[in-house]
Amino acid sequence: DVKVTQSSRYLVKRTGEKVFLECVQDMDHENMFWYRQDPGLGLRLIYFSYDVKMKEKGDIPEGYSVSREKKERFSLILESASTNQTSMYLCASSLPPLGGRAKLRSYEQYFGPGTRLTVT
Amino acid sequence: DAKTTQPPSMDCAEGRAANLPCNHSTISGNEYVYWYRQIHSQGPQYIIHGLKNNETNEMASLIITEDRKSSTLILPHATLRDTAVYYCIVRVLNNNDMRFGAGTRLTVKP
Repeated sequence: DVKVTQSSRYLVKRTGEKVFLECVQDMDHENMFWYRQDPGLGLRLIYFSYDVKMKEKGDIPEGYSVSREKKERFSLILESASTNQTSMYLCASSLPPLGGRAKLRSYEQYFGPGTRLTVT
Repeated sequence: DAKTTQPPSMDCAEGRAANLPCNHSTISGNEYVYWYRQIHSQGPQYIIHGLKNNETNEMASLIITEDRKSSTLILPHATLRDTAVYYCIVRVLNNNDMRFGAGTRLTVKP
């Protein structure tokens, strides 16, 4: 089974602190994603990466950065945490797009359990 | 990717079929319909996806209308453990990212 783990389930930080959220997957997936989830807004994509050292902005990248130094690890960084970044953060991974119907299932994303971050 | 519209909440009696609708009227020809669900305090879980034919797996069935502007996820015999938020997403197959909306909160009642 694919396993995606996140470094903490719950985290409390102060305004202005630098925050690192770590995500590790054990299935050799090329693609990794960071989302945040807020009540009434569903999941919103922050950043994603399709290869080591590659990153792409999602819908809401402002205030965040990411790092992908190794294939299995994707880090989300809050350079200076603010109270409006209090949220649930979800990491996901998937295989890259491949051709042919037999590969369709490869496009599903596997999610970690989430990190509930509170910034005070 | 096309946007989707889902009802915010639905109830279903245990043992009955749960039918969750999704509108995606601006879907384009190369976009697939995906369904995920999220049980409380867990990350989202893939359920099923399809292009234009109906699909069935061990978890659910997916019915897509002929014009592909809407679809229905069917849980044939809902259990209490199926209580979750269900997300309908449309995406191009070779797109790496996934755009989730607010989803439908399904409550299965005894």
